[in-house]
Amino acid sequence: DAEITQSPRHKITETGRQVTLACHQTWNHNNMFWYRQDLGHGLRLIHYSYGVQDTNKGEVSDGYSVSRSNTEDLPLTLESAASSQTSVYFCASSSGQGNEKLFFGSGTQLSVL
Amino acid sequence: AQSVTQLDSHVSVSEGTPVLLRCNYSSSYSPSLFWYVQHPNKGLQLLLKYTSAATLVKGINGFEAEFKKSETSFHLTKPSAHMSDAAEYFCVGSTSGTYKYIFGTGTRLKVLA
Repeated sequence: DAEITQSPRHKITETGRQVTLACHQTWNHNNMFWYRQDLGHGLRLIHYSYGVQDTNKGEVSDGYSVSRSNTEDLPLTLESAASSQTSVYFCASSSGQGNEKLFFGSGTQLSVL
Repeated sequence: AQSVTQLDSHVSVSEGTPVLLRCNYSSSYSPSLFWYVQHPNKGLQLLLKYTSAATLVKGINGFEAEFKKSETSFHLTKPSAHMSDAAEYFCVGSTSGTYKYIFGTGTRLKVLA
């Protein structure tokens, strides 16, 4: 079955370190998204991609970057981790325009100490 | 601009009683609307979606939602709550023709024995 997987499930790092969170989907979806989930804020969009070589900033993109070199993967990089980036990160994908459902990964719990 | 507002951050019901989770939206265009459920330490799972075909939408696990344009609402209901329904629920909006999804801040449902 097709799926979307995130790794690692849990990560502890120190402030200032570079961290990369992986997202891999086998749905062959063009659209991929990264969200962070924080109490009281719901899910907020970090970056998104509509296809290979396409990346766009979301509402909370400062301190994060993504790259899309193939259809399956959209890694999220924290350039210099900060304590404010302690959060749960979700990757999602969809096949078409806004009326298509999002498929979510199981999330990565990131702690920046 | 589109926005999604979940009116209750927490809802408690007794097992076997009805569930009502409220969601209001604002959109300049015909929206697509979704309800997702998130169980602890899990990713988000689609419960149901509205895309203008029918105003009453039936989803999984006995949930349904009614789109009311006059009230700009898309409330989620279930006739009889089960203990397994305890989770966080997100109302999500999107405008057809775009790829962006707007998340509400979530409603945590507690089911009392």
